[in-house]
Amino acid sequence: GQSLEQPSEVTAVEGAIVQINCTYQTSGFYGLSWYQQHDGGAPTFLSYNGLDGLEETGRFSSFLSRSDSYGYLLLQELQMKDSASYFCAVRDSNYQLIWGAGTKLIIKP
Amino acid sequence: SQTIHQWPATLVQPVGSPLSLECTVEGTSNPNLYWYRQAAGRGLQLLFYSVGIGQISSEVPQNLSASRPQDRQFILSSKKLLLSDSGFYLCAWRFDSSYNSPLHFGNGTRLTVT
Repeated sequence: GQSLEQPSEVTAVEGAIVQINCTYQTSGFYGLSWYQQHDGGAPTFLSYNGLDGLEETGRFSSFLSRSDSYGYLLLQELQMKDSASYFCAVRDSNYQLIWGAGTKLIIKP
Repeated sequence: SQTIHQWPATLVQPVGSPLSLECTVEGTSNPNLYWYRQAAGRGLQLLFYSVGIGQISSEVPQNLSASRPQDRQFILSSKKLLLSDSGFYLCAWRFDSSYNSPLHFGNGTRLTVT
């Protein structure tokens, strides 16, 4: 079967750095994406990794290692507004996104 | 710029009643359109997607159906709702089927079947 594993919850302090990991097992791989979802809101796209390495967008970075079937989202200089759930998603051989269950990021002042 | 509208925002329906959720996209042509369902504290489950008018692909067999009567309109329907249909329904679009084309979501409909 296809699966994505990510921690259910991560806690960090405002101003700190946090890493959210994602491991995947899918039939085919056409990229790893990350989405942010605030409580009661819609998911919003953060990043896409199609090749190995690090992609940086402001305070957020995303990393992919295809040989390890692993990626992570790195959030720096955490702000209270970053409190949300973060989802990794892999595009499989059917070109559809397979979603992880999400990681709830709790930020403490 | 592109916008996506989804309504209603919340809906409470009795078991056995029909359902119609509507989604429209503005500012683009021939988008790929999607219906997802999200259970509380869970990831997203793809229900239907469409790459063009009248083209619907179903990912999960259930008592729901979808239609795309116009290029930028996507409708999710049911003839008789079940308790298990409760959830957060999200419509989404993207420009095309390329690997890195991101999904853009509507604000969702929170459906409670009683």
